[in-house]
Amino acid sequence: AQTVTQSQPEMSVQEAETVTLSCTYDTSESDYYLFWYKQPPSRQMILVIRQEAYKQQNATENRFSVNFQKAAKSFSLKISDSQLGDAAMYFCAYRSAGDMRFGAGTRLTVKP
Amino acid sequence: GAVVSQHPSWVICKSGTSVKIECRSLDFQATTMFWYRQFPKQSLMLMATSNEGSKATYEQGVEKDKFLINHASLTLSTLTVTSAHPEDSSFYICSARESGLAEGTQYFGPGTRLLVL
Repeated sequence: AQTVTQSQPEMSVQEAETVTLSCTYDTSESDYYLFWYKQPPSRQMILVIRQEAYKQQNATENRFSVNFQKAAKSFSLKISDSQLGDAAMYFCAYRSAGDMRFGAGTRLTVKP
Repeated sequence: GAVVSQHPSWVICKSGTSVKIECRSLDFQATTMFWYRQFPKQSLMLMATSNEGSKATYEQGVEKDKFLINHASLTLSTLTVTSAHPEDSSFYICSARESGLAEGTQYFGPGTRLLVL
């Protein structure tokens, strides 16, 4: 079974600084997708970024980028120029042909 | 991005009653929808996968007779919590995947907060 591990229950970053959230996963599949979702206090799940496993190039979306290390099964999220609105729970997720599985989440606090 | 709606957004009911939650994909067709449950300060736990026109696939430990899922059309799935009890109080989130795209992104509804008294 596929598992997703987020080893940082909580992280804190100063506004305008950079923070990296860690995620590792375990799978025997060769073709899969990885995602980072943000869940603010409203609890609406918002897609931050996605990565196809067959792509070597790391995905980027404005201030958000990932460091995808397929051999190490690592998928970290880097948030640059952190903003107060980035404060939320962040979930790493894995999906192959079937359903999506989530990590335990990392609560990000942004200090003004 | 695509929009998924859920109704109601919150519901309070008495123990023993049944509650139905609707999940709709508003601007796309979803062959597959997923139902998750989230307890406070925890992650999303998959309850079941709902496929249009067929029976839902439930995760281990989820009672299919208690959590009835119907996916009657490509834009609507419903979750009915039957004979609800206080331990069923939770945040329920549905998710829909666009039809025809195996790699399609899953879009999430805003969730339904259920409180059983």
